[in-house]
Amino acid sequence: DSGVTQTPKHLITATGQRVTLRCSPRSGDLSVYWYQQSLDQGLQFLIQYYNGEERAKGNILERFSAQQFPDLHSELNLSSLELGDSALYFCASSAQGNNQPQHFGDGTRLSIL
Amino acid sequence: AQTVTQSQPEMSVQEAETVTLSCTYDTSESNYYLFWYKQPPSRQMILVIRQEAYKQQNATENRFSVNFQKAAKSFSLKISDSQLGDTAMYFCAFMVSGSEKLVFGKGTKLTVNP
Repeated sequence: DSGVTQTPKHLITATGQRVTLRCSPRSGDLSVYWYQQSLDQGLQFLIQYYNGEERAKGNILERFSAQQFPDLHSELNLSSLELGDSALYFCASSAQGNNQPQHFGDGTRLSIL
Repeated sequence: AQTVTQSQPEMSVQEAETVTLSCTYDTSESNYYLFWYKQPPSRQMILVIRQEAYKQQNATENRFSVNFQKAAKSFSLKISDSQLGDTAMYFCAFMVSGSEKLVFGKGTKLTVNP
């Protein structure tokens, strides 16, 4: 158990809909990262938050947004969903300090019908 | 841009034997970190081992060790005494010092046969 909690584990929805994925980092970790794992693109970094502030952005679509709340949990919002958004979405967290290892949650499997 | 290449999509090994998974990377940076992550069928992403580029000594974690060749930009993972529980996808990942963004390879699917 990595200590990172992601909910829900599975999500099935339709094109055009909006969903919210939730992540609770390990106790004490201030950084939260979101990654997308799809068959064609592999594992790709989406966005990082540190103590409530956006720290880095990767290949995140404009339809996607994220935030980190004062209690350090994070949410990834995906809107106007398309079939290609079907993927496994991982949240990871790390301790304060340069280049600390990232510990991953179990992921949320998003299926768009 | 940094890229990570894992040239072996699939590999198999007999239980108790040793297997080496290959990884090469491309970067112009001098300070960076390299990682191997394991993703079993349960789909969790588990950190296996971590190597700092400034350290010449190869990292070791129990049955897992790396062969880090900085000049060749190579970072292979050796699994000794393979166990059935080692069956998983293995991802090589790269991080520039200070960036905190992991760049992953496409992965190698390892099957350990009894």
